[in-house]
Amino acid sequence: DQQVKQNSPSLSVQEGRISILNCDYTNSMFDYFLWYKKYPAEGPTFLISISSIKDKNEDGRFTVFLNKSAKHLSLHIVPSQPGDSAVYFCAALLSGGYQKVTFGTGTKLQVIP
Amino acid sequence: DTAVSQTPKYLVTQMGNDKSIKCEQNLGHDTMYWYKQDSKKFLKIMFSYNNKELIINETVPNRFSPKSPDKAHLNLHINSLELGDSAVYFCASSRTSGPNTGELFFGEGSRLTVL
Repeated sequence: DQQVKQNSPSLSVQEGRISILNCDYTNSMFDYFLWYKKYPAEGPTFLISISSIKDKNEDGRFTVFLNKSAKHLSLHIVPSQPGDSAVYFCAALLSGGYQKVTFGTGTKLQVIP
Repeated sequence: DTAVSQTPKYLVTQMGNDKSIKCEQNLGHDTMYWYKQDSKKFLKIMFSYNNKELIINETVPNRFSPKSPDKAHLNLHINSLELGDSAVYFCASSRTSGPNTGELFFGEGSRLTVL
Protein backbone atom coordinates (compact mmCIF):
# COMPACT_ATOMS: atom_id res chain seq x y z
CA ASP A 1 0.00 0.00 0.00
CA GLN A 2 1.69 3.15 -1.22
CA GLN A 3 1.01 5.85 1.35
CA VAL A 4 2.86 8.61 -0.49
CA LYS A 5 2.14 9.05 -4.18
CA GLN A 6 3.66 11.14 -6.90
CA ASN A 7 1.46 10.63 -9.92
CA SER A 8 3.64 12.49 -12.41
CA PRO A 9 6.75 10.46 -13.22
CA SER A 10 8.25 13.33 -15.20
CA LEU A 11 7.97 17.05 -15.82
CA SER A 12 9.67 19.38 -18.32
CA VAL A 13 9.89 23.11 -17.71
CA GLN A 14 11.64 25.96 -19.48
CA GLU A 15 14.46 27.68 -17.64
CA GLY A 16 13.20 30.69 -15.71
CA ARG A 17 9.65 29.38 -15.41
CA ILE A 18 7.99 27.83 -12.38
CA SER A 19 8.22 24.10 -11.69
CA ILE A 20 5.39 22.59 -9.66
CA LEU A 21 5.79 19.08 -8.34
CA ASN A 22 2.84 17.40 -6.67
CA CYS A 23 2.45 14.76 -4.01
CA ASP A 24 -0.52 13.08 -2.33
CA TYR A 25 -0.58 11.02 0.83
CA THR A 26 -3.15 8.71 2.34
CA ASN A 27 -2.08 8.41 5.99
CA SER A 28 -3.67 11.26 7.94
CA MET A 29 -1.32 10.52 10.84
CA PHE A 30 1.68 11.90 8.94
CA ASP A 31 2.65 15.20 10.51
CA TYR A 32 5.93 16.07 8.82
CA PHE A 33 6.65 16.24 5.12
CA LEU A 34 9.84 16.58 3.15
CA TRP A 35 11.20 16.88 -0.34
CA TYR A 36 14.42 15.23 -1.38
CA LYS A 37 16.38 15.80 -4.56
CA LYS A 38 18.37 13.09 -6.31
CA TYR A 39 20.93 13.35 -9.07
CA PRO A 40 21.94 10.24 -11.09
CA ALA A 41 24.39 7.94 -9.32
CA GLU A 42 23.98 9.87 -6.06
CA GLY A 43 21.88 9.38 -2.98
CA PRO A 44 18.86 11.58 -2.26
CA THR A 45 19.62 14.85 -0.47
CA PHE A 46 17.25 16.75 1.78
CA LEU A 47 15.79 19.87 0.16
CA ILE A 48 12.99 21.35 2.24
CA SER A 49 10.42 20.28 4.80
CA ILE A 50 7.17 21.38 6.38
CA SER A 51 5.39 20.56 9.59
CA SER A 52 1.67 19.83 9.52
CA ILE A 53 1.03 22.89 11.68
CA LYS A 54 2.04 25.08 8.75
CA ASP A 55 0.70 25.40 5.23
CA LYS A 56 3.73 26.96 3.61
CA ASN A 57 7.49 26.93 4.01
CA GLU A 58 9.87 28.87 1.83
CA ASP A 59 13.62 28.56 1.33
CA GLY A 60 15.04 30.69 -1.44
CA ARG A 61 13.68 29.53 -4.77
CA PHE A 62 11.92 26.55 -3.17
CA THR A 63 8.50 26.69 -1.51
CA VAL A 64 6.50 23.78 -0.18
CA PHE A 65 2.74 24.06 0.25
CA LEU A 66 0.67 21.73 2.39
CA ASN A 67 -3.09 21.21 2.11
CA LYS A 68 -3.98 18.88 4.97
CA SER A 69 -7.65 18.60 4.12
CA ALA A 70 -6.76 17.39 0.63
CA LYS A 71 -3.77 15.38 1.88
CA HIS A 72 -1.72 17.10 -0.77
CA LEU A 73 1.58 18.90 -0.90
CA SER A 74 3.46 20.59 -3.65
CA LEU A 75 6.94 21.91 -4.29
CA HIS A 76 7.33 25.11 -6.26
CA ILE A 77 10.66 26.04 -7.77
CA VAL A 78 10.90 29.53 -9.17
CA PRO A 79 12.76 30.46 -11.23
CA SER A 80 13.74 27.00 -12.46
CA GLN A 81 17.37 26.50 -13.41
CA PRO A 82 19.04 23.74 -15.46
CA GLY A 83 20.87 22.59 -12.31
CA ASP A 84 17.47 21.79 -10.80
CA SER A 85 17.11 18.89 -13.25
CA ALA A 86 16.91 15.85 -10.98
CA VAL A 87 14.46 13.38 -9.49
CA TYR A 88 12.41 14.86 -6.66
CA PHE A 89 11.05 12.59 -3.95
CA CYS A 90 8.21 13.54 -1.68
CA ALA A 91 8.40 11.97 1.80
CA ALA A 92 6.39 11.88 5.00
CA LEU A 93 6.72 10.68 8.56
CA LEU A 94 5.11 10.55 11.98
CA SER A 95 7.40 12.81 13.97
CA GLY A 96 6.57 11.25 17.31
CA GLY A 97 8.30 7.94 16.69
CA TYR A 98 11.52 6.81 15.14
CA GLN A 99 12.32 8.39 11.82
CA LYS A 100 10.50 5.97 9.58
CA VAL A 101 10.39 8.12 6.48
CA THR A 102 8.00 6.99 3.74
CA PHE A 103 8.92 8.05 0.23
CA GLY A 104 6.98 8.54 -2.98
CA THR A 105 8.20 7.16 -6.30
CA GLY A 106 9.71 10.41 -7.48
CA THR A 107 9.18 12.92 -10.28
CA LYS A 108 11.94 13.50 -12.79
CA LEU A 109 12.24 17.20 -13.49
CA GLN A 110 13.97 18.42 -16.62
CA VAL A 111 14.66 22.13 -16.88
CA ILE A 112 15.29 23.06 -20.49
CA PRO A 113 17.76 25.91 -21.09
CA ASP B 1 35.36 13.59 2.89
CA THR B 2 32.28 11.45 2.26
CA ALA B 3 29.68 11.64 5.05
CA VAL B 4 27.90 8.33 4.33
CA SER B 5 29.89 5.86 2.27
CA GLN B 6 28.83 2.49 0.93
CA THR B 7 30.85 -0.29 -0.64
CA PRO B 8 30.68 -1.69 -3.20
CA LYS B 9 28.94 0.76 -5.53
CA TYR B 10 28.21 -1.98 -8.03
CA LEU B 11 27.76 -5.68 -7.43
CA VAL B 12 26.93 -8.31 -10.05
CA THR B 13 26.43 -11.85 -8.84
CA GLN B 14 24.70 -15.13 -9.56
CA MET B 15 21.47 -16.36 -8.03
CA GLY B 16 22.02 -18.33 -4.87
CA ASN B 17 25.17 -16.50 -3.83
CA ASP B 18 25.64 -14.63 -0.54
CA LYS B 19 26.83 -11.02 -0.61
CA SER B 20 27.38 -8.10 1.75
CA ILE B 21 27.17 -4.35 1.40
CA LYS B 22 28.99 -2.16 3.91
CA CYS B 23 28.09 1.30 5.13
CA GLU B 24 29.93 3.80 7.27
CA GLN B 25 29.01 7.31 8.38
CA ASN B 26 31.32 9.92 9.86
CA LEU B 27 28.59 12.39 10.87
CA GLY B 28 28.38 11.20 14.46
CA HIS B 29 24.74 10.17 13.97
CA ASP B 30 23.05 7.63 16.23
CA THR B 31 20.71 6.09 13.73
CA MET B 32 21.37 4.30 10.46
CA TYR B 33 19.08 2.82 7.83
CA TRP B 34 18.92 0.60 4.80
CA TYR B 35 16.54 1.58 2.02
CA LYS B 36 15.83 -0.38 -1.16
CA GLN B 37 14.97 1.27 -4.47
CA ASP B 38 13.46 -1.27 -6.81
CA SER B 39 12.90 -1.19 -10.55
CA LYS B 40 9.77 0.93 -10.08
CA LYS B 41 11.93 3.54 -8.33
CA PHE B 42 10.02 3.01 -5.08
CA LEU B 43 12.36 3.89 -2.18
CA LYS B 44 11.35 1.69 0.74
CA ILE B 45 12.80 1.34 4.22
CA MET B 46 14.13 -2.07 5.19
CA PHE B 47 15.88 -1.66 8.54
CA SER B 48 16.95 0.94 11.04
CA TYR B 49 19.44 0.74 13.89
CA ASN B 50 19.82 3.18 16.75
CA ASN B 51 23.06 2.83 18.70
CA LYS B 52 23.50 -0.73 17.42
CA GLU B 53 19.94 -1.68 18.39
CA LEU B 54 17.41 -2.73 15.73
CA ILE B 55 14.44 -0.34 15.88
CA ILE B 56 12.76 -0.72 12.50
CA ASN B 57 12.40 -4.04 10.76
CA GLU B 58 10.03 -3.93 7.83
CA THR B 59 8.60 -6.95 6.11
CA VAL B 60 11.82 -8.14 4.57
CA PRO B 61 12.77 -11.79 3.85
CA ASN B 62 14.99 -13.21 6.56
CA ARG B 63 17.63 -13.80 3.89
CA PHE B 64 18.46 -10.16 4.60
CA SER B 65 20.40 -9.65 7.82
CA PRO B 66 21.66 -6.26 8.95
CA LYS B 67 24.56 -5.99 11.36
CA SER B 68 25.71 -2.93 13.25
CA PRO B 69 29.09 -3.46 14.94
CA ASP B 70 29.04 0.14 16.21
CA LYS B 71 26.89 3.20 15.66
CA ALA B 72 29.02 4.38 12.73
CA HIS B 73 28.60 1.19 10.72
CA LEU B 74 25.63 -0.72 9.36
CA ASN B 75 26.23 -3.64 7.04
CA LEU B 76 23.71 -5.62 5.02
CA HIS B 77 24.21 -9.31 4.33
CA ILE B 78 22.02 -11.11 1.84
CA ASN B 79 21.88 -14.90 1.65
CA SER B 80 20.72 -17.02 -1.27
CA LEU B 81 20.29 -14.10 -3.64
CA GLU B 82 17.25 -14.09 -5.93
CA LEU B 83 16.53 -12.23 -9.15
CA GLY B 84 14.05 -10.00 -7.31
CA ASP B 85 16.80 -8.75 -5.03
CA SER B 86 18.22 -6.73 -7.91
CA ALA B 87 17.88 -3.12 -6.84
CA VAL B 88 19.79 -0.12 -5.59
CA TYR B 89 20.38 -0.27 -1.84
CA PHE B 90 20.85 3.03 -0.02
CA CYS B 91 22.35 3.45 3.39
CA ALA B 92 21.35 6.54 5.37
CA SER B 93 21.89 8.09 8.78
CA SER B 94 20.17 10.66 10.95
CA ARG B 95 20.41 12.44 14.27
CA THR B 96 18.13 11.22 17.01
CA SER B 97 18.60 14.10 19.40
CA GLY B 98 16.41 17.12 18.80
CA PRO B 99 13.18 17.21 16.81
CA ASN B 100 12.33 14.26 14.61
CA THR B 101 12.48 15.99 11.26
CA GLY B 102 12.99 13.12 8.87
CA GLU B 103 16.22 14.57 7.55
CA LEU B 104 18.25 11.63 6.34
CA PHE B 105 21.76 11.68 4.95
CA PHE B 106 22.13 9.11 2.20
CA GLY B 107 25.06 7.28 0.73
CA GLU B 108 25.49 7.06 -3.04
CA GLY B 109 23.81 3.69 -3.27
CA SER B 110 24.95 0.17 -4.12
CA ARG B 111 23.51 -1.28 -7.33
CA LEU B 112 23.02 -5.01 -6.95
CA THR B 113 22.36 -7.07 -10.07
CA VAL B 114 21.48 -10.74 -9.65
CA LEU B 115 21.83 -12.88 -12.78
